[in-house]
Amino acid sequence: EDQVTQSPEALRLQEGESSSLNCSYTVSGLRGLFWYRQDPGKGPEFLFTLYSAGEEKEKERLKATLTKKESFLHITAPKPEDSATYLCAVQAAGGSYIPTFGRGTSLIVHP
Amino acid sequence: GAGVSQSPRYKVAKRGQDVALRCDPISGHVSLFWYQQALGQGPEFLTYFQNEAQLDKSGLPSDRFFAERPEGSVSTLKIQRTQQEDSAVYLCASSLGSAGVYSSDTQYFGPGTRLTVL
Repeated sequence: EDQVTQSPEALRLQEGESSSLNCSYTVSGLRGLFWYRQDPGKGPEFLFTLYSAGEEKEKERLKATLTKKESFLHITAPKPEDSATYLCAVQAAGGSYIPTFGRGTSLIVHP
Repeated sequence: GAGVSQSPRYKVAKRGQDVALRCDPISGHVSLFWYQQALGQGPEFLTYFQNEAQLDKSGLPSDRFFAERPEGSVSTLKIQRTQQEDSAVYLCASSLGSAGVYSSDTQYFGPGTRLTVL
């Protein structure tokens, strides 16, 4: 069974204090790993898709990286508007197209 | 914008009532998914449509849950005889292509409908 574990569950940062969120996964083979941002009362907003170990993608202050067992979402010099829950999801290769989501990391950035 | 829209945004139902939740996907998107998200959890799959065909309903928790997409565009998720455990946010997502073994299309989510069953 595919499993996705995100850590920490919650993270509080000061504005400008860089950090990383972790997504550990167990799948029989990875087709794709997805990062989403979810603001309170809203649906998940797509950020990145990663397909193979070693791949990296960046968007503004966010950079996502992927290994064979985990993905990191690095946040550089965060701002209060980066506060949100960040969700990770995986799709297994050769099997169901249904993504398995983690429980998310709730990030709060204080000014 | 031309994103995924859902209505109503909030629904309060008395236990035993039937409810209908609507999803308008992005125009031209072939695939449509319904998810259930409990507080503090990630979305959990309910059902999948490819155009008007419901190809997967393995995530529907009981036969009280029913979904349709009759013309391959708008979809409705219906819950009959609601129970308190049905309280959750119901998310709809659409993607451009057909979901399948070789697909990893990005899913675009709507804002969700928060259902509270009293």
